[in-house]
Amino acid sequence: GENVEQHPSTLSVQEGDSAVIKCTYSDSASNYFPWYKQELGKRPQLIIDIRSNVGEKKDQRIAVTLNKTAKHFSLHITETQPEDSAVYFCAATYNNNDMRFGAGTRLTVKP
Amino acid sequence: DTGVSQDPRHKITKRGQNVTFRCDPISEHNRLYWYRQTLGQGPEFLTYFQNEAQLEKSRLLSDRFSAERPKGSFSTLEIQRTEQGDSAMYLCASSARGAGELFFGEGSRLTVL
Repeated sequence: GENVEQHPSTLSVQEGDSAVIKCTYSDSASNYFPWYKQELGKRPQLIIDIRSNVGEKKDQRIAVTLNKTAKHFSLHITETQPEDSAVYFCAATYNNNDMRFGAGTRLTVKP
Repeated sequence: DTGVSQDPRHKITKRGQNVTFRCDPISEHNRLYWYRQTLGQGPEFLTYFQNEAQLEKSRLLSDRFSAERPKGSFSTLEIQRTEQGDSAMYLCASSARGAGELFFGEGSRLTVL
């Protein structure tokens, strides 16, 4: 099955700075790579996703890049704000068959 | 239908007892997933259904765990002879067929004393 590794486990940045979280996956057949944000005591919620036929996707301050050859993908958050503080999870799957998540990155944005 | 709902939200039980959790997915979603999440960790895949068929079950899942989705709508996750190590948040999620967003429920928190 798929195995997803995520780094770093914790990340602290100053408000306004950028944050980058990286993930690697093991199954070359995986074709869908979402990122979820989980605030304390709440459910994970999708913030951005990318499919294997594109290399980059952007949505306002959030972007995701995918390198299928190297089997890694990254989340980029620019102009970070205190409300970006949360735990972020990457995931990988082939057609949602069994979506596997990384261990998470706790992002703290200091005002 | 406002989303995925789970019941109960909290369950405290004594070691050795059986517990059952229920998940009601978004009505038009034919896929339903169960995950377990412990503090500081990502959701750990347990099993998933497409309609009423259980298509995959994690090798990490012991025989004490069983899940059903008898009519392809709601699902139940039963844990028999609970152990303290079973204490966790049990998350249910649903999605439409194919690659796409998983919608999570609020979770059922299990505490085994």
